[in-house]
Amino acid sequence: QKEVEQDPGPLSVPEGAIVSLNCTYSNSAFQYFMWYRQYSRKGPELLMYTYSSGNKEDGRFTAQVDKSSKYISLFIRDSQPSDSATYLCAMRLHTGGFKTIFGAGTRLFVKA
Amino acid sequence: DAEITQSPRHKITETGRQVTLACHQTWNHNNMFWYRQDLGHGLRLIHYSYGVQDTNKGEVSDGYSVSRSNTEDLPLTLESAASSQTSVYFCASSETGGGNEQFFGPGTRLTVL
Repeated sequence: QKEVEQDPGPLSVPEGAIVSLNCTYSNSAFQYFMWYRQYSRKGPELLMYTYSSGNKEDGRFTAQVDKSSKYISLFIRDSQPSDSATYLCAMRLHTGGFKTIFGAGTRLFVKA
Repeated sequence: DAEITQSPRHKITETGRQVTLACHQTWNHNNMFWYRQDLGHGLRLIHYSYGVQDTNKGEVSDGYSVSRSNTEDLPLTLESAASSQTSVYFCASSETGGGNEQFFGPGTRLTVL
């Protein structure tokens, strides 16, 4: 069993839709939770991060962490064709260095 | 502007050859990482370094080595390339002070024939 599970998709939605991307994890000690966005043939870029549980909002993006269920989500409101990319969840421990475990990534297509 | 670069961007090599992929960052970050990205597996950690002369094995380190002689560079060497090492390789760096953001390079697409 992988430490971080993420549905690879692809997920195809019409422009303006609300998108929900999710990951589950097995290690209850993870404390930092991140979402990276990766455009085709580019390196990943950090989109959002949260520490421990709760919600965090940044513009059209909202990240949620539910530690009791070991489940994290990224919501994209009013999705745009420019949001078409692969979204990778990532997480790491509070201690023990800076190693980060990544999910496999979900490919998202937003159709105009 | 600070950046992280990788070279070459594309490489085709033959089985059994030694290959070195370069990674150079101007962020002055102590932490540097090498990942490989394959369909269905996401990013998997190969090796990482928390500073000069420090190197550590990651999840998929067999057949790879790194050395850290200065802050800016972490070259990745494939000792004897195998077809299973055909992949896209990403280098990343991050600051030491607990920052969560890893800055990624543009990637090197390696094909081993």
